[in-house]
Amino acid sequence: AQKITQTQPGMFVQEKEAVTLDCTYDTSDQSYGLFWYKQPSSGEMIFLIYQGSYDEQNATEGRYSLNFQKARKSANLVISASQLGDSAMYFCAMRELNDYKLSFGAGTTVTVRA
Amino acid sequence: NAGVTQTPKFQVLKTGQSMTLQCAQDMNHNSMYWYRQDPGMGLRLIYYSASEGTTDKGEVPNGYNVSRLNKREFSLRLESAAPSQTSVYFCASSDPPTYEQYFGPGTRLTVT
Repeated sequence: AQKITQTQPGMFVQEKEAVTLDCTYDTSDQSYGLFWYKQPSSGEMIFLIYQGSYDEQNATEGRYSLNFQKARKSANLVISASQLGDSAMYFCAMRELNDYKLSFGAGTTVTVRA
Repeated sequence: NAGVTQTPKFQVLKTGQSMTLQCAQDMNHNSMYWYRQDPGMGLRLIYYSASEGTTDKGEVPNGYNVSRLNKREFSLRLESAAPSQTSVYFCASSDPPTYEQYFGPGTRLTVT
């Protein structure tokens, strides 16, 4: 069964606007971690943000914030004030309890328009 | 501090040839990973090494072998390359407590 689902294959956003990327996950563990990565056209994978399942507050890193809704099993990434450099593929990933591995979603392509 | 390095960056093989992809990290991480990424898809785990001296199969291990040479280095070997192994290969490393993974720049492999 798919552990991470990203339903938006591609999105367009106007420069300076906010964009929300959806991610839902499936686990029976109570302890797990959620991650977002950015992959620009140059190909490298860049770690953006982490949310632990027991963290009470939503994680934030600069213009990135993670909207964590545990009961709905969703971990949406919000990018505020989009910039042209935000155009990239974004991947959601999860690590379950006692596991070293990450499970990745299929990704969402974001294109920022000037 | 180079992070995670991979060699080579690009490689073209003929069907049946063998090669080893090299990966090294200088972050003193215990865990290392090999992924492949095919067009339009997410990353699929090939093998991983939770710590020095251990390796485990991931989601798509067939056709590959790995060696955790020491804490820094984790290599991926294709014994007899097939066109289905044409892909971009990423190495990554991580450590507790959160295990966020740090990736190398990738190796673009084409098998003809």
